[in-house]
Amino acid sequence: AQSVTQLDSHVSVSEGTPVLLRCNYSSSYSPSLFWYVQHPNKGLQLLLKYTSAATLVKGINGFEAEFKKSETSFHLTKPSAHMSDAAEYFCVVSSMNTGFQKLVFGTGTRLLVSP
Amino acid sequence: EAQVTQNPRYLITVTGKKLTVTCSQNMNHEYMSWYRQDPGLGLRQIYYSMNVEVTDKGDVPEGYKVSRKEKRNFPLILESPSPNQTSLYFCASRPPSSGANVLTFGAGSRLTVL
Repeated sequence: AQSVTQLDSHVSVSEGTPVLLRCNYSSSYSPSLFWYVQHPNKGLQLLLKYTSAATLVKGINGFEAEFKKSETSFHLTKPSAHMSDAAEYFCVVSSMNTGFQKLVFGTGTRLLVSP
Repeated sequence: EAQVTQNPRYLITVTGKKLTVTCSQNMNHEYMSWYRQDPGLGLRQIYYSMNVEVTDKGDVPEGYKVSRKEKRNFPLILESPSPNQTSLYFCASRPPSSGANVLTFGAGSRLTVL
């Protein structure tokens, strides 16, 4: 079975400060991991993905995430938050044992950015 | 423009009145899927389809039906909606399965069942 735990339901930062959104996963097989972002009243958009290549993955809008197998983590970071980063973020896992048919979403982390 | 289109975007209905949420994609994707999003629960998969005439249950299929008669369309059918199906629904599609493939999501359909 595979699962995803997003450790914080809400994260508040000030504009210009670093962002850290935490994600731990569980998977019996080598996973593929994704971060998606959802802005208010919008669909989900891919930020970045890990698929067994480089463990440090760079995404759009300055976000990056590091796959750490020993810690079963895939935390999302950004050096400097912007007001436009305020949104909900989802960590997602899929794996070969389901033929990548099933994606398991975390419960989401709402990022609040204050001026 | 490559996109997934859902209709209606907003719907208020009453218990027991059958409804269909349509989903159409213009990217020739084989794989399509429906999710529901509820506060504190993230997105949960309802049904998915690997190709035309091939569908399978996700994690929360009860109370829903789907069909895949054409590659581009994947409607979600609620035969007898109940209040616990009040939710935000997303349709998504992608090319054939592999770990690298990425879902393209529709804009969502907010359903309220009274």
